[in-house]
Amino acid sequence: NAGVTQTPKFQVLKTGQSMTLQCAQDMNHEYMSWYRQDPGMGLRLIHYSVGAGITDQGEVPNGYNVSRSTTEDFPLRLLSAAPSQTSVYFCATSTGGSNQPQHFGDGTRLSIL
Amino acid sequence: EDQVTQSPEALRLQEGESSSLNCSYTVSGLRGLFWYRQDPGKGPEFLFTLYSAGEEKEKERLKATLTKKESFLHITAPKPEDSATYLCAVHLSGGYQKVTFGTGTKLQVIP
Repeated sequence: NAGVTQTPKFQVLKTGQSMTLQCAQDMNHEYMSWYRQDPGMGLRLIHYSVGAGITDQGEVPNGYNVSRSTTEDFPLRLLSAAPSQTSVYFCATSTGGSNQPQHFGDGTRLSIL
Repeated sequence: EDQVTQSPEALRLQEGESSSLNCSYTVSGLRGLFWYRQDPGKGPEFLFTLYSAGEEKEKERLKATLTKKESFLHITAPKPEDSATYLCAVHLSGGYQKVTFGTGTKLQVIP
């Protein structure tokens, strides 16, 4: 099993460009989340989904959109990239509930010039 | 405001030199405390879940404990392959999204 697969692994964008970060899972987990990780800061939740068709905002949602049309996929869209969005982005899945561990992908390293 | 603080930020140990990492928290409605290991260029990997004060979990050279205000990750006789960043996270009541991560402790074990 692949677990949680994120693509691309690296990306460089220019300010104002848009792009989609892909996340796919084969664990049949209902819960999926997007985090960003910045130096000196803990992982911060961007958006999350508790099932297909259901999404909601996390702590730092501005500038990002998500959708969840299937259980397996949870793409993250940057609408108009800004240098402040330079970060490492992680997708995570869980069987659900706030007392269940999360399973993370290996991240997308994104630089905005 | 819910806060999670990990200390030290970085720790350098000789192989075989035991030590502890700390995760202190000031939160309301703790549902669980999680420890993760993160290797460079990788996503966090789940290690332990602790739910109530007094609980302990062990895995190889690692032992996690929980009190009402903090958690410790004890590393006994570490090996170079234990070098990684260790993250703690607290899950709170109020929904799946109520999770706060610490900034991590970067552990280096020298042969």
